[in-house]
Amino acid sequence: EDQVTQSPEALRLQEGESSSLNCSYTVSGLRGLFWYRQDPGKGPEFLFTLYSAGEEKEKERLKATLTKKESFLHITAPKPEDSATYLCAVQAPSGSARQLTFGSGTQLTVLP
Amino acid sequence: DAGVIQSPRHEVTEMGQEVTLRCKPISGHDYLFWYRQTMMRGLELLIYFNNNVPIDDSGMPEDRFSAKMPNASFSTLKIQPSEPRDSAVYFCASSLAREQYFGPGTRLTVT
Repeated sequence: EDQVTQSPEALRLQEGESSSLNCSYTVSGLRGLFWYRQDPGKGPEFLFTLYSAGEEKEKERLKATLTKKESFLHITAPKPEDSATYLCAVQAPSGSARQLTFGSGTQLTVLP
Repeated sequence: DAGVIQSPRHEVTEMGQEVTLRCKPISGHDYLFWYRQTMMRGLELLIYFNNNVPIDDSGMPEDRFSAKMPNASFSTLKIQPSEPRDSAVYFCASSLAREQYFGPGTRLTVT
């Protein structure tokens, strides 16, 4: 069974204090790893897709990286508006072709 | 560009009543997904469609749940009869490539 574990569950940072969120996974034949941002009362918002180990993608203050066992979401000099829950999900051949298995998320709070 | 549209945004109903949630996917997307999110279980896939055909409904919790997609621009998720444990946020998502785009969700409360 595909497993996705995110850590930490919650993270509080001061504005400008860089940090990383972790997503570890156990799947056979990863087809894609996805990062989403979810604000309270809203649906998850797509951020990145990573397909192979060594791949990196960036968007503003966020950079996602991928290894064979985990992915990191690096947040550089965060601002209060980066506060949200960050979800990662994996897509693997063992599930249905388009099925995503989500982690439980990391709730990020950035204090001004 | 309108995203995924869901209605209603909030639904409060009494146990035993029928509940129908509605979704309009992004135009041109050929996959549609229904998810449920709770604090205890996180985000769970219930069912998904490809070109209006149900592909995998293994996540549907019970026979009380049913979903239809009569055309490419509309889908419904029905719960009959509803129970308090069905209280959750229900999301619809659509995709053309591998990335899925989510709607704002329907918060369902069953009393």
